Amino acid sequence: GENVEQHPSTLSVQEGDSAVIKCTYSDSASNYFPWYKQELGKGPQLIIDIRSNVGEKKDQRIAVTLNKTAKHFSLHITETQPEDSAVYFCAAGHQFYFGTGTSLTVIP
Amino acid sequence: NAGVTQTPKFQVLKTGQSMTLQCAQDMNHEYMSWYRQDPGMGLRLIHYSVGAGITDQGEVPNGYNVSRSTTEDFPLRLLSAAPSQTSVYFCASTFGRDYGYTFGSGTRLTVV
Repeated sequence: GENVEQHPSTLSVQEGDSAVIKCTYSDSASNYFPWYKQELGKGPQLIIDIRSNVGEKKDQRIAVTLNKTAKHFSLHITETQPEDSAVYFCAAGHQFYFGTGTSLTVIP
Repeated sequence: NAGVTQTPKFQVLKTGQSMTLQCAQDMNHEYMSWYRQDPGMGLRLIHYSVGAGITDQGEVPNGYNVSRSTTEDFPLRLLSAAPSQTSVYFCASTFGRDYGYTFGSGTRLTVV
C-alpha cells in the first residue's frame, strides 16, 4: 500500500511568518492529495487539495505544491495568524493513508 | 444541519464488552470510512464502503465489523473490546474516491 511521511511533526512560527509542511508518498499511481486542518476536540476539515494534473493551487493565504516526479507535496501558509494554530494532515492513496500530522503553533 | 453525525461522543467500556459506534450522513455520499486516531500515528483506516452493501477492510480492521445497509448509515461494531482499542474514532464521507472527506466530530472511546 501507500506510505505517506509528513514533516515536521511540530512547527512554531511567529505571527506573520510563513509555514511550510512537507509530505512524501510512495505509490506513483496516487493522483489526489488533500490537506486537512484539525482543531482541538474536532474532526479534521479539508482546507485545500490538489490533483496530479496540477502543479500548484492557491486559496488566499494557503497554497499546495505537487512534484509528482519526486513524489512529494507541500502545504504553504503565508502571513500566519494565531487561528492557524492546529494540527495539519496530508493524505494520499485515495485518502486511505494519512501522514502522522504536524502541530503548528503561531506565536502572537 | 448537513454533515456527518457520530454518536456517542464519549464512551467507556470494560474489556470484553461489545458496542456499536453510529455514523450517519445526509449528503448522499457514496463513500464512507472509519478511522482511528492515536497520538503520533495520524489517522488509520479501519474499514470503508464505496456504496450500500459494499464494504472492505482498511489498514487496521482486526476487532471491528461494519455493514452498510443504506447510503446514509455506516455503523462500526467492536466485537470484544480490548484496551488497545482505546482511541478517538472518526467517521468520514465523500462523493467519490478522489474528493475531500467530510469528517464527523469523533467518538472518544476508553476501554478499561
